Amino acid sequence: QSALTQPASVSGSPGQSITISCTGTSGDVGAFYYVSWYQQYPDKAPKLMIFDVTKRPSGVSNRFSGSKSGNTASLTISGLQAEDEADYYCTSYTGSSTFIFGTGTTVTVL
Amino acid sequence: QLQLHESGPGLVKPSETLSLTCTVSGAPISSSPYFWAWIRQPPGKGLEWIGNLYYNAESYYNPSLKSRVTISVDASKNQFSLKVNSVSAADTAVYYCAILMGPGAPWRFFDHWGQGTLVTVSS
Repeated sequence: QSALTQPASVSGSPGQSITISCTGTSGDVGAFYYVSWYQQYPDKAPKLMIFDVTKRPSGVSNRFSGSKSGNTASLTISGLQAEDEADYYCTSYTGSSTFIFGTGTTVTVL
Repeated sequence: QLQLHESGPGLVKPSETLSLTCTVSGAPISSSPYFWAWIRQPPGKGLEWIGNLYYNAESYYNPSLKSRVTISVDASKNQFSLKVNSVSAADTAVYYCAILMGPGAPWRFFDHWGQGTLVTVSS
């Protein structure tokens, strides 16, 4: 069970939009509409940003949005801000209460 | 308000057993509609799902760790625990407990993470 594939790093200028991809297989991302995304600052616990591919928990900015096509899910951050500089991880449900995480992406605000 | 807090030894010798406890406040483990989860993160690396437990002891584990991992619950203390046997340096990581939630089954995203605790495997 290999980790989902994410780009190691993505960068953008303030105000721009960036997209982070999360590529799996037909057994995980492609099989279920249950992808979630987490934001993690250095030495902090991850925070849920998106669940069920597109849904935002209460309190998460609407600048964060999710989507999925086939075996690839994506997280888009629009109107990039300095506070968005962090690591981001995707996770997919893989059936029978099991999960797989992505490799993680470092977002840099230029 | 749901809060989780990990505790346990920060240093474990190779080949021994790693034992951690997660104390839950704000909800009773025995009657909450959630799974209780462990996730770890080696220094400088990504997150790895370890396993989940329901209060009735129904449990699921990462296949790569299944032979060495046990997650259990102590409802009387509102705690759940993680044991990893036969540890090596590769088990050095920050260990997080979290709640596996969902607006209905299957429970499918992690929320209310603990702050994490670093466990180092070294002699």
